Formats: sequence, structure tokens, C-alpha cells
Amino acid sequence: AQSVTQLDSQVPVFEEAPVELRCNYSSSVSVYLFWYVQYPNQGLQLLLKYLSGSTLVKGINGFEAEFNKSQTSFHLRKPSVHISDTAEYFCAVSGGAGGTSYGKLTFGQGTILTVHP
Amino acid sequence: ETGVTQTPRHLVMGMTNKKSLKCEQHLGHNAMYWYKQSAKKPLELMFVYSLEERVENNSVPSRFSPECPNSSHLFLHLHTLQPEDSALYLCASSQDWAGGSGEQYFGPGTRLTVT
Repeated sequence: AQSVTQLDSQVPVFEEAPVELRCNYSSSVSVYLFWYVQYPNQGLQLLLKYLSGSTLVKGINGFEAEFNKSQTSFHLRKPSVHISDTAEYFCAVSGGAGGTSYGKLTFGQGTILTVHP
Repeated sequence: ETGVTQTPRHLVMGMTNKKSLKCEQHLGHNAMYWYKQSAKKPLELMFVYSLEERVENNSVPSRFSPECPNSSHLFLHLHTLQPEDSALYLCASSQDWAGGSGEQYFGPGTRLTVT
């Protein structure tokens, strides 16, 4: 079975500072990885995804994430955050071909990013 | 309309009421999902439908009754709810239930308050 652990439930940061939101996963097969963002009282919106190819993935709003297979991690980063980045961020994994979790998405518990002025 | 839509966006109901939540996807997907999101709790997968057939039911109380009349529409019928059922209910869809990348597309949610 696959699982996702987001290591920080809350991350406070000042505006224009860099931020990293950490995500580790466990899976016995190849994986697809996602980060979603949820603004207050809204649904989840896809921020970026890793399916194959380059391990550095760029997404919307200046975010990027790096897939590290040896450390089974997919950390999300942004070099300079804005007040508008305040939201909850979810890491998710689905299994690749050949496993029982092929194409089935599992979500982490979420990290609340709060950007202070 | 594009993407995934949900109605109503807000709902207040008493414990003896019966109401329904509606979800519609305009993406041509084959799988649809209901999630419950409560304050300070992880996202909970409730039901999954693939090609109009229920494929997962994660120990959800019978006071929640899903219905998928076709691949574009998903309903969640509610009756005799409890205050702890107050939450944001999210609908999502994906191309397929198994296979592919698994990427899901979410609606804006229905904020349910049970009084």
C-alpha cells in the first residue's frame, strides 16, 4: 500500500522569504506525484505534477518541486512567497503501472502555509 | 460550465431534514469521487464511482447515500445527519479509477452545516 507523509502541519513564514514544504511517500512501485493547493472554502487546485522525465518540476505561481527517488521525497519550494500564497497544500501520490495502486491517488494530511507581512 | 461544478455551495440543514448535494463534471471523465473535509482532520475519501459503478465505500454511515446516474453526474443524498457531519464536501473526477496518472480535478465544494 502507498502512503504520504507531510512532515509539517503548519509553516509560518514572512513575505518574500523562501519556503519549503516537505513530503515523503512510500510505495513499492513507480509513482506519480502531485501537489495541490486549497484556498479557504475552495476546492483543491493542481499546483504541479511529476509523471516522468526531469526530476525538477515547475508549477503555477512560481512553485517548483523536486522528485528524489532515493529519499522517496517530493518537496515543494518557492524562492519568495507572497501574502496570496497563504493556503493549505496537499501532497499526493498514485502508483505507476504494475501495482495495485496504479492510478489511485492517496493524499497527505496537508500543510497550512501562512505568509505574514 | 467547465471543469467540476457543485451545488449548492452552502447548505444549512437540521438533523431531521433530507437534502442532496449535486456534482457535475464537464471533462469526459470516467471516475467520480466524494470527499469529506473537516476542520483539523485529513481529507477523507467517502465514495468512488467508476463508469457509474460504486467501486469504493470507505465505511461511511448509511445516512450518506451516493448516486451516480451517469458518468457526468454524482449526487450525495443526506438524511438524519449529526452535527459532526458538518464539513466541506468535495467532489472530484479523474479520467479513470485505475490506470493513468490518477490526477483528480476538484469542484469548489459544498459547505454543510448541520444544526
